[in-house]
Amino acid sequence: EAGVAQSPRYKIIEKRQSVAFWCNPISGHATLYWYQQILGQGPKLLIQFQNNGVVDDSQLPKDRFSAERLKGVDSTLKIQPAKLEDSAVYLCASSPGLSYEQYFGPGTRLTVT
Amino acid sequence: GENVEQHPSTLSVQEGDSAVIKCTYSDSASNYFPWYKQELGKGPQLIIDIRSNVGEKKDQRIAVTLNKTAKHFSLHITETQPEDSAVYFCAASNRDKIIFGKGTRLHILP
Repeated sequence: EAGVAQSPRYKIIEKRQSVAFWCNPISGHATLYWYQQILGQGPKLLIQFQNNGVVDDSQLPKDRFSAERLKGVDSTLKIQPAKLEDSAVYLCASSPGLSYEQYFGPGTRLTVT
Repeated sequence: GENVEQHPSTLSVQEGDSAVIKCTYSDSASNYFPWYKQELGKGPQLIIDIRSNVGEKKDQRIAVTLNKTAKHFSLHITETQPEDSAVYFCAASNRDKIIFGKGTRLHILP
């Protein structure tokens, strides 16, 4: 079974630029999550999708972050404009449904200079 | 909202000894408690989980215990090996939300 795929693996941008991350979940998984993991901390949930609907985006900084999950499969997370404090690893995870085990992708390491 | 505290932040144990990591949570509605292992440059990997209708679960060298009354749960790794060196995260989840602890960096000393 293929795991969660993410791209790119690394990205370096200057502040005020925009960036987008892509996630392909495990086939058949209805629930998709985006997390932000700052160095030395645990993952923090940004947004959670059930199929192509948003379940929870309460911690997503909506003035600069956006996410979509078209057709209930792949998802993209965008930051525009980026700030220095957005430097982190962005993790995508998927699960068969709510309250089930989550499977994480390798993450995208973003550095904002 | 839910808050998860994890201790210790760093743990060093001699190879072959046991390691214990403890977490507490605040939301009594939480009913699912997974543990993840994260190696350098990789995403977290689920190693064991427990649901609130169970007090203990074991899988080979790894065990998790849950005390719902006290709102704490623990990860136990026995006969530690070099490949156990990693960062471990606990988490607490109800139907709507999952909150992670800040992680424990486990060092296995030769």
